[in-house]
Amino acid sequence: GENVEQHPSTLSVQEGDSAVIKCTYSDSASNYFPWYKQELGKGPQLIIDIRSNVGEKKDQRIAVTLNKTAKHFSLHITETQPEDSAVYFCAASMRVGYGGATNKLIFGTGTLLAVQP
Amino acid sequence: KAGVTQTPRYLIKTRGQQVTLSCSPISGHRSVSWYQQTPGQGLQFLFEYFSETQRNKGNFPGRFSGRQFSNSRSEMNVSTLELGDSALYLCASSLTITSGRDPGNEQFFGPGTRLTVL
Repeated sequence: GENVEQHPSTLSVQEGDSAVIKCTYSDSASNYFPWYKQELGKGPQLIIDIRSNVGEKKDQRIAVTLNKTAKHFSLHITETQPEDSAVYFCAASMRVGYGGATNKLIFGTGTLLAVQP
Repeated sequence: KAGVTQTPRYLIKTRGQQVTLSCSPISGHRSVSWYQQTPGQGLQFLFEYFSETQRNKGNFPGRFSGRQFSNSRSEMNVSTLELGDSALYLCASSLTITSGRDPGNEQFFGPGTRLTVL
């Protein structure tokens, strides 16, 4: 069925430490994995994404890794800062119907990250 | 360039009423997707409109409907409101269709409409 599991649901770290959020997905044909950051009162904002033909992608302090065999992917934030505090969502594309002509994003349930100064 | 705008930002309705939410995408974007966000279910895909046509639909009852106008603005309608419809409704715009064969077109989310059903 449609399922993306995300852990942990809450994460508290000290400023300067690293934070890791993990997600697993169920559809072996999933080929697109975005991560979103949602601040209070705002809509989610894409922070990084990865496609299934890549194992790792990095953008400054943020990196995402993908293990297709195990069907899991992770978000890594290094040197965390108070402004990183937000809810983070992972998502995975999932085929709809036959033939793979249409997809939709299935979201994880979110991780509330608190960076303590 | 202005971002995605949604109106109204907050709405209170009672059971049995109907509601219409509006979304204006980023200029030049032709795709609008709608999502329901609740604490228990997270973000769930409702539907996507591209070139005034519904291209994909999530697992929601027929009470949830939408449309897109020629200027790409979109409206979402929920009829016969139920308590469980209380949620943050988000719309996201994209340059092109996001639920097609290539799902990797970036979606830009609006701030959402907070709907409370009493």
